Amino acid sequence: QSALTQPASVSGSPGQSITISCTGTSSDVGSYDLVSWYQQYPGKAPKLMISEVSKRPSGVSNRFSGSKSGNTASLTISGLQAEDEADYYCCSYAGSTTWVFGGGTKLTVL
Amino acid sequence: QVQLQQSGPGLVKPSQTLSLTCDISGDSVSRNTGAWNWVRQSPSRGLEWLGRTYYRSKWYHDYAVSVKSRITINPDTSKNQFSLQLNSVTPEDTAVYYCAASMPSVYSFDYWGQGTLVTVSS
Repeated sequence: QSALTQPASVSGSPGQSITISCTGTSSDVGSYDLVSWYQQYPGKAPKLMISEVSKRPSGVSNRFSGSKSGNTASLTISGLQAEDEADYYCCSYAGSTTWVFGGGTKLTVL
Repeated sequence: QVQLQQSGPGLVKPSQTLSLTCDISGDSVSRNTGAWNWVRQSPSRGLEWLGRTYYRSKWYHDYAVSVKSRITINPDTSKNQFSLQLNSVTPEDTAVYYCAASMPSVYSFDYWGQGTLVTVSS
């Protein structure tokens, strides 16, 4: 499996909304509503932010939301805050007990 | 709240075996839902799922094709932990290794260990 495609970087000002895309294929993102998103600060472990395309785990801010259309999933962060500055990774189940991750997107809060 | 604590050496020689352990608190390795995973991260390969173990009246194991011939993930019910063994390592196996718990769904990685940087070098 090839890695999912994410933009290398996105940026936004405090209070704005940003969207990070995650493009896969009909074998992974397009076939399963099993896309998850992770936030990672430098030197720290990833943290689950969204599961199964749009489900938010307990404790995750409702400023984070997920969606999917065809082979592309998206993570939207509204009301951008300085603490949101981090790397974000998408992940999709790809069948046959395999998972594929995206290459990561660095979010900069201006 | 599940907490995962990793342990193991940070330096392994080429051709030897990488061994890491993940201690579980707040849950049981023998639970009948979810799964226990190992994931690694390197600049060259990004995030890569390596494998998992889970219990459904008996133990099951699934491994990524890329490491299937070299990997073993085992539970230890007496210590409430699970382990990773990766044989015949090369410098390409240098990465930060994470244990991760999937629960309640097996399709996301809900809780993560702190990570262990393992360097393969002589």
